[in-house]
Amino acid sequence: SQQGEEDPQALSIQEGENATMNCSYKTSINNLQWYRQNSGRGLVHLILIRSNEREKHSGRLRVTLDTSKKSSSLLITASRAADTASYFCATVGGAQKLVFGQGTRLTINP
Amino acid sequence: DGGITQSPKYLFRKEGQNVTLSCEQNLNHDAMYWYRQDPGQGLRLIYYSQIVNDFQKGDIAEGYSVSREKKESFPLTVTSAQKNPTAFYLCASNSGNRVGQPQHFGDGTRLSIL
Repeated sequence: SQQGEEDPQALSIQEGENATMNCSYKTSINNLQWYRQNSGRGLVHLILIRSNEREKHSGRLRVTLDTSKKSSSLLITASRAADTASYFCATVGGAQKLVFGQGTRLTINP
Repeated sequence: DGGITQSPKYLFRKEGQNVTLSCEQNLNHDAMYWYRQDPGQGLRLIYYSQIVNDFQKGDIAEGYSVSREKKESFPLTVTSAQKNPTAFYLCASNSGNRVGQPQHFGDGTRLSIL
């Protein structure tokens, strides 16, 4: 069953601007992960945030987690053309299974 | 270079035919997964295996079968019982020794109906 829901479904911005994507989920989680998928390729893991963490950074990526609102956001700062991709959140409950959202399609215009 | 290799990249299935998608990993991972992705959608879990000779159904296992005879390999068969097999199939793996470890993905197989 799909648990995560990303918002917006599509986002188009100019190179150099910041991009923010949101993810909402329904049940309690162990951790939440963000992945990137370039067109026609597999997913690449970007960042993992545990349920007891509120914010995490990795290079130009910043992820926040609000377990009271069951939501997370991914911020990409100073976007580049190479950031054009689909971005997915995935939640982990009590088992090994990841449950993916439907993704946000991000387009960076030069 | 460690990674996951899926083959073929493109596959065509005729009516009533079973087809098998290959997934091989050299990451020494215990757990492997198969997902289906439809256009503009997220991933849905078909089957997963946490150890050799054992596997469990995911959310959409009907019409699919798997085997896990070797640690490195987790082939997926799309049977004729799967009436809507056209999709992008992704294989993934992780070490599986802790809950919720990130998964490594192959580059997928795109299956179409002739």
